[in-house]
Amino acid sequence: NAGVTQTPKFRVLKTGQSMTLLCAQDMNHEYMYWYRQDPGMGLRLIHYSVGEGTTAKGEVPDGYNVSRLKKQNFLLGLESAAPSQTSVYFCASSVGITLGEQYFGPGTRLTVT
Amino acid sequence: EDQVTQSPEALRLQEGESSSLNCSYTVSGLRGLFWYRQDPGKGPEFLFTLYSAGEEKEKERLKATLTKKESFLHITAPKPEDSATYLCAVQAFRTDKLIFGTGTRLQVFP
Repeated sequence: NAGVTQTPKFRVLKTGQSMTLLCAQDMNHEYMYWYRQDPGMGLRLIHYSVGEGTTAKGEVPDGYNVSRLKKQNFLLGLESAAPSQTSVYFCASSVGITLGEQYFGPGTRLTVT
Repeated sequence: EDQVTQSPEALRLQEGESSSLNCSYTVSGLRGLFWYRQDPGKGPEFLFTLYSAGEEKEKERLKATLTKKESFLHITAPKPEDSATYLCAVQAFRTDKLIFGTGTRLQVFP
């Protein structure tokens, strides 16, 4: 039982490049989330999904897109990376009923130069 | 606007020296308050959920309490392995989302 996994662990992009972060969970959770964590800012929600085929905007969605084609996977895309998107990205999942009990992945450290 | 403020930002304790971390919150209709632990280079790990004022939860050396305006995470006789950043988050009834504080970085020295 791997829980929540994220790939890649590290990535360096140049401004304007695109990339996709992959999140996978094996707990059959309905809800999945993408956060970014910056020093002094705390975790901020980018997008989330309440089930397969659904997505919704969080607190800081601009510059990101997401897709949830399969229940176990949640993809985060950056179409044209900007230095302001340098951050650590965390994926999380939850059963749905008690939304605060979220299970987090190990994170992806992204640097945009 | 829902808001979470944690204090202190950093706390250094000697092993065995008990202390408390504070989480002050402003939210319209609290659904739940959550504590997480985050080790360096890792994702947050869920610790506790508190739903109503007066509620308490315990796990090993940690005890979380809740009032109408704040929550405390009490650490009794801490050990070096308790060193981590502790995050507090709130959720309102009207939203699915968690609002996180910026955390308290705890260091426990032998």
